[in-house]
Amino acid sequence: DAGVIQSPRHEVTEMGQEVTLRCKPISGHNSLFWYRQTMMRGLELLIYFNNNVPIDDSGMPEDRFSAKMPNASFSTLKIQPSEPRDSAVYFCASSLGQQETQYFGPGTRLLVL
Amino acid sequence: KQEVTQIPAALSVPEGENLVLNCSFTDSAIYNLQWFRQDPGKGLTSLLLIQSSQREQTSGRLNASLDKSSGRSTLYIAASQPGDSATYLCAVLGGGFKTIFGAGTRLFVKA
Repeated sequence: DAGVIQSPRHEVTEMGQEVTLRCKPISGHNSLFWYRQTMMRGLELLIYFNNNVPIDDSGMPEDRFSAKMPNASFSTLKIQPSEPRDSAVYFCASSLGQQETQYFGPGTRLLVL
Repeated sequence: KQEVTQIPAALSVPEGENLVLNCSFTDSAIYNLQWFRQDPGKGLTSLLLIQSSQREQTSGRLNASLDKSSGRSTLYIAASQPGDSATYLCAVLGGGFKTIFGAGTRLFVKA
């Protein structure tokens, strides 16, 4: 099993640019989570999907952030326009069900200049 | 609003020592509690998951307990090794199936 796959692993962009982060969950998992980790705020849940449907996006910081899950094997997190305060590590995780063990990807380290 | 606190924030112990990491949460209406390990610059690795109906879970040298009524969980690590050095995070799955993480305990085991 390949585990949760995230791309890119590192992203450096300039303020105002669009950023798209990608995630492939573990095959067969029907819950997918996007998290953001910073030194100041720790790990925060941004949004999670169950059976490809967004269930709770209350953690999305503002309208500049959007997430989609067009099918069971792919999800994107988009930031448009990006700002320096968006610099963080973004993690994707998946689980068999909403109450099951979450498996994390390696993360995308984003730096917005 | 659920809040998760981990104490201590950092811990340094000599190799071979048994140790306990603490996690507390303010709302006892939880589905489960999960312990993770995070190595520097890496993702999170799940260690143990305790469902709300369970009292403890064990895996090798690790034992996690859950006391929902008091809002506490502990992670016990037996015979610590330098390879155990990492940050340990607890996460609570609560209302709305929302996961809330603690800030973590940074553990250093000296050889």
